[in-house]
Amino acid sequence: DAKTTQPDSMESTEGETVHLPCSHATISGNEYIYWYRQVPLQGPEYVTHGLQQNTTNSMAFLAIASDRKSSTLILPHVSLRDAAVYHCILRVANQGGSAKLIFGEGTKLTVSS
Amino acid sequence: AQTIHQWPVAEIKAVGSPLSLGCTIKGKSSPNLYWYWQATGGTLQQLFYSITVGQVESVVQLNLSASRPKDDQFILSTEKLLLSHSGFYLCAWSPRGGNYAEQFFGPGTRLTVL
Repeated sequence: DAKTTQPDSMESTEGETVHLPCSHATISGNEYIYWYRQVPLQGPEYVTHGLQQNTTNSMAFLAIASDRKSSTLILPHVSLRDAAVYHCILRVANQGGSAKLIFGEGTKLTVSS
Repeated sequence: AQTIHQWPVAEIKAVGSPLSLGCTIKGKSSPNLYWYWQATGGTLQQLFYSITVGQVESVVQLNLSASRPKDDQFILSTEKLLLSHSGFYLCAWSPRGGNYAEQFFGPGTRLTVL
């Protein structure tokens, strides 16, 4: 699986819109971009994923560059509950039940009131 | 709704003692199941996965073993604990035939080996 690069940490204030970048310069054509987030002493929580088109759900908007070498997870109007470590992960499509999620250090998002 | 339960919540064990951690998924038929481990301050690593009863594949060798005795149950065990086994153990599932990389994690078990 291709490697991703994320900033170690980012800070924000409640109500702001946060942009979390992820670089994946060696991404393959059949690799999806997944985002998970994890708070201490809890399991990771799926946030969103995409292949080529931008995607949106109730949690976030995922903007994928046209060359797919980078993506940005956009969190609108963050609250204290959004403070977590955010992981950008690449997954090859259709690997079946052996899908291995490779978690790195991620970006630690701090939200202040 | 699907629920995932892990037991125990936390455990303190002596080096050399045996260990058994459990995970149960309710409300989902024939899920794919996964064990992950996270050392304190470390990154999350997948240890095992299982796509059906009785079949378990090892991903990382940590002197641990896993079994899937029932469709909804996944067990992680060892006969002799090491200090390096301390950490946070997470069970996860993904739907069969669905998006295998969209995994749902349990609450975890915190293990301290002394």
